[in-house]
Amino acid sequence: GNSVTQMEGPVTLSEEAFLTINCTYTATGYPSLFWYVQYPGEGLQLLLKATKADDKGSNKGFEATYRKETTSFHLEKGSVQVSDSAVYFCALTGPTDKLIFGTGTRLQVFP
Amino acid sequence: EPEVTQTPSHQVTQMGQEVILRCVPISNHLYFYWYRQILGQKVEFLVSFYNNEISEKSEIFDDQFSVERPDGSNFTLKIRSTKLEDSAMYFCASSPQPRGGYTFGSGTRLTVV
Repeated sequence: GNSVTQMEGPVTLSEEAFLTINCTYTATGYPSLFWYVQYPGEGLQLLLKATKADDKGSNKGFEATYRKETTSFHLEKGSVQVSDSAVYFCALTGPTDKLIFGTGTRLQVFP
Repeated sequence: EPEVTQTPSHQVTQMGQEVILRCVPISNHLYFYWYRQILGQKVEFLVSFYNNEISEKSEIFDDQFSVERPDGSNFTLKIRSTKLEDSAMYFCASSPQPRGGYTFGSGTRLTVV
């Protein structure tokens, strides 16, 4: 069945460092891909999405490109801030509309 | 910005008791979902609901679980006889269309003792 694999955390960075959180997927057909973020004590917020191969989703300085050839959707940000500290979830839908999540990656950014 | 509202934020219940978790989806959304996240584990799909009926449910969503949209605004998840392993954060979500990316509520933490 469909699944998502994320790199294990925590990822610990200094402010202004470059961030990559790896995500790969297994799916039949053409899934839509998502990154959700969960700040401490809050719910899940959609960060960005991509619905077809080579699409790039972007929001708040974060980017991810839908790579069908490598079945990946890695999250990147050029310069992280302390306020980016959160848990990041990679997810997909397809063929139905239920979301299948990865295990989440905790990001800790220090000043 | 429109929000999905969940109440209560935290509920403690005794094993074997019934609980109802409440959600108010975004008003013009048509697709509704429940997910749960056991502490330290991944977020898991429970059920999707559209046009007043269940569209899809997971194997977790057994006969002890039910959903209802009683009045056109609320969307509830009922657990008939809670078990210790039902302790988790339960998230409601809604969407205007399928596969478009949902809006999640902030969750209800259910603790079964």
